[in-house]
Amino acid sequence: DIVMTQSPDSLAVSLGERATINCKSSQSVLDSSNNKNYLAWYQQKPGQPPKLLIYWASTRESGVPDRFSGSGSGTDFTLTISSLQAEDVAVYYCQQYYNTPMYTFGQGTKLEIK
Amino acid sequence: QVQLQESGPGLVKPSQTLSLTCTVSGDSISSGGYFWSWIRQPAGKGLEWIGRISVSGSTNYNPSLKSRVTISVDTSKNQFSLKLSSMTAADTAVYYCARSGGTAFAPWGQGTLVTVSS
Repeated sequence: DIVMTQSPDSLAVSLGERATINCKSSQSVLDSSNNKNYLAWYQQKPGQPPKLLIYWASTRESGVPDRFSGSGSGTDFTLTISSLQAEDVAVYYCQQYYNTPMYTFGQGTKLEIK
Repeated sequence: QVQLQESGPGLVKPSQTLSLTCTVSGDSISSGGYFWSWIRQPAGKGLEWIGRISVSGSTNYNPSLKSRVTISVDTSKNQFSLKLSSMTAADTAVYYCARSGGTAFAPWGQGTLVTVSS
């Protein structure tokens, strides 16, 4: 299985400041045949299901604010919120779909307001 | 837009079999090109993929649960279902259904809490 490890486990950022969450995979999730990274990011608010934010490591899902961006390649990825809003308080998960159908998620990063 | 809704018992006794159904609305489950998955989340913990089914009935399961899981699809009802046998307290979780194109999961159902207790 591909193990996904996120850092930090929790993060407190001031409103309007940048938040950065990291995700590392135990093996590359880059398919060299199409140059795509098989990596997604989700946001989960309390009592709600996860919501897809980003797929192919950097493509925003329709309707996701452009303050959310994804970057990275191979084994190291980053989710960045450029200017934290109060409604961004949530747990964020990365997920690989390279090793389909054995999908795996990171352990989650809890984002709070400082 | 496509919506998914889980249904089933909230309480299951140890050693019994859990049965959950996911009803899909807004599109036909037979429209093709998608996989329909079950994912669970113990309270305060992370996400675990359980398994998936295609409209043709082809299934894939998480090896850690494979011996206890059965996923089926009923295209006439626009539903797919999960059966998980030999339930224990470790299976207590919120169970979600979700759609994927073999890639990321979207949308997800709201989830249903299943508690294993006598």
